[in-house]
Amino acid sequence: NAGVMQNPRHLVRRRGQEARLRCSPMKGHSHVYWYRQLPEEGLKFMVYLQKENIIDESGMPKERFSAEFPKEGPSILRIQQVVRGDSAAYFCASSPPLAPEQFFGPGTRLTVL
Amino acid sequence: DQQVKQNSPSLSVQEGRISILNCDYTNSMFDYFLWYKKYPAEGPTFLISISSIKDKNEDGRFTVFLNKSAKHLSLHIVPSQPGDSAVYFCAATLTGKLIFGQGTTLQVKP
Repeated sequence: NAGVMQNPRHLVRRRGQEARLRCSPMKGHSHVYWYRQLPEEGLKFMVYLQKENIIDESGMPKERFSAEFPKEGPSILRIQQVVRGDSAAYFCASSPPLAPEQFFGPGTRLTVL
Repeated sequence: DQQVKQNSPSLSVQEGRISILNCDYTNSMFDYFLWYKKYPAEGPTFLISISSIKDKNEDGRFTVFLNKSAKHLSLHIVPSQPGDSAVYFCAATLTGKLIFGQGTTLQVKP
């Protein structure tokens, strides 16, 4: 009964490159959420997805960031043309339908050089 | 606009005593409140939740109290153990997403 899986755990990119972060939810969970934790700050909501649908992307930066949760495969958070300010820990969480509790993965720590 | 606030950055208690972590919120539309525990370099771990229509929920050593008139909730850990030392986040749900406080670092001394 695996928990939420995220990979890679650590990702180093140079400015201008693309970063792709993957998240596989817990078995039976159809809702996926992405959060970001900047250094010395709390977790901030980015986006809420269900299979093939974006439910709420109010926390996503307007440019360079996108997310998807396809019918098959993991959810992907994509950051194009990364900048130093994108360096953070990115956490994915999942939940079953109609449940408020979200269960988090171990996170991906993105470092932009 | 910080809708969920944890005003104490840190708390230190002796092993075996009670730990009380506090959280205030501003939005009366929140429907659930949750507490998470986080170790460095790991993801948050869910501890306990409470519906906005309840005033208390208990699970083992953890009890959460909700005071809606004061827009305040607290997490009680009794008895505290050294393994409880971590950062504790309170969070509130709104249309599915979680809104987190800034966290309180709890240190339980042996």
